[in-house]
Amino acid sequence: DTAVSQTPKYLVTQMGNDKSIKCEQNLGHDTMYWYKQDSKKFLKIMFSYNNKELIINETVPNRFSPKSPDKAHLNLHINSLELGDSAVYFCASSPDGRPSSPLHFGNGTRLTVT
Amino acid sequence: DAKTTQPPSMDCAEGRAANLPCNHSTISGNEYVYWYRQIHSQGPQYIIHGLKNNETNEMASLIITEDRKSSTLILPHATLRDTAVYYCIVRVFSGGYQKVTFGTGTKLQVIP
Repeated sequence: DTAVSQTPKYLVTQMGNDKSIKCEQNLGHDTMYWYKQDSKKFLKIMFSYNNKELIINETVPNRFSPKSPDKAHLNLHINSLELGDSAVYFCASSPDGRPSSPLHFGNGTRLTVT
Repeated sequence: DAKTTQPPSMDCAEGRAANLPCNHSTISGNEYVYWYRQIHSQGPQYIIHGLKNNETNEMASLIITEDRKSSTLILPHATLRDTAVYYCIVRVFSGGYQKVTFGTGTKLQVIP
């Protein structure tokens, strides 16, 4: 059973398009995250949601809009895609936001903007 | 934010213990030390975490110095499948919730 699943695994699109990435966790966790890993392999937090409420927004352009319809899902919609958005996007979840709660990551969505 | 410093790369012979160091000299008293690893381009995998005491689980051991300014992750019998990038992370709170920031990590190469 996949704990944190993301779709699609690969996404190739042109500049200016709008695309979405979906994430679902079946762990019963309260907190979910989006991370971006760029070509230099740096993993940076983008957003964090706790029980469907946004709690962390790391100065991400407002072209990126996360949506959490319920606490098991956190989707990422990106408007007007740019070349610099090419990266691997990881969804993660944790039981709660406490420091003793490990993160569980999905296997990523590789986004390529041409 | 408390930051961590790790060597960029290390080699380890298969079957030997791999000892991965991490410096976190600005760590605060309530901040946990976490270790994750990333194999190829898969999602990071949780390994172990600790606050003050040494910890051990089925994957690894975590040794934290008494002053908590550094720690060592120990893989007791490294296998080829342990080749990965290992991240040492200090959890930071933001607005009452944790914010996990990954550094550059240590690329561990296990050699046959």
